[in-house]
Amino acid sequence: SQKIEQNSEALNIQEGKTATLTCNYTNYSPAYLQWYRQDPGRGPVFLLLIRENEKEKRKERLKVTFDTTLKQSLFHITASQPADSATYLCALGRAYGGSQGNLIFGKGTKLSVKP
Amino acid sequence: GAGVSQSPSNKVTEKGKDVELRCDPISGHTALYWYRQSLGQGLEFLIYFQGNSAPDKSGLPSDRFSAERTGGSVSTLTIQRTQQEDSAVYLCASSPGTSGLAKNIQYFGAGTRLSVL
Repeated sequence: SQKIEQNSEALNIQEGKTATLTCNYTNYSPAYLQWYRQDPGRGPVFLLLIRENEKEKRKERLKVTFDTTLKQSLFHITASQPADSATYLCALGRAYGGSQGNLIFGKGTKLSVKP
Repeated sequence: GAGVSQSPSNKVTEKGKDVELRCDPISGHTALYWYRQSLGQGLEFLIYFQGNSAPDKSGLPSDRFSAERTGGSVSTLTIQRTQQEDSAVYLCASSPGTSGLAKNIQYFGAGTRLSVL
């Protein structure tokens, strides 16, 4: 069956460092991958989308890579700040059809950035 | 506002009672999703509506759960004879559902926190 794993439930880093979150998947061939941020008491918020034929995507301090051979995506936050503390979810998607509205979510990694 | 709206934000009910949760998607979005999120857990897919197509109900955990979407807009998730294990945050999301990969970007509401006593 399809499986998505985010490397750890929690990640603690020091302010100013680069945070790296991992999303691995098996038994799936996604057409694209998305990353979301979720703050306590709120719904997830979309951050970035990367297509299967793209190696890397950047947005301000965020960078996402997508390796379809390793079946892995890495999510980087450079120069991290305490305000980056949140839970980050990866989601795999199909281009066409499929159940679950074409998107399957990982369980998320809770990032804590200490000042 | 222009975002996804869910009501109520909190609902406390007694075991065995029925509850209705409401979702107002972003205007013009053709796709609507319901998820359940238990404390410290990921998003559990429940049901998906896309335009006038038959909904994908493959995630509904039991026949006590049902959902409808009227006029292609507002959706109601109904849980009958609630059980304590139904306690969770119920999240609704909508997406444009039109062409291109951006159609699958999901915009979430803040959720309804359901507590079954």
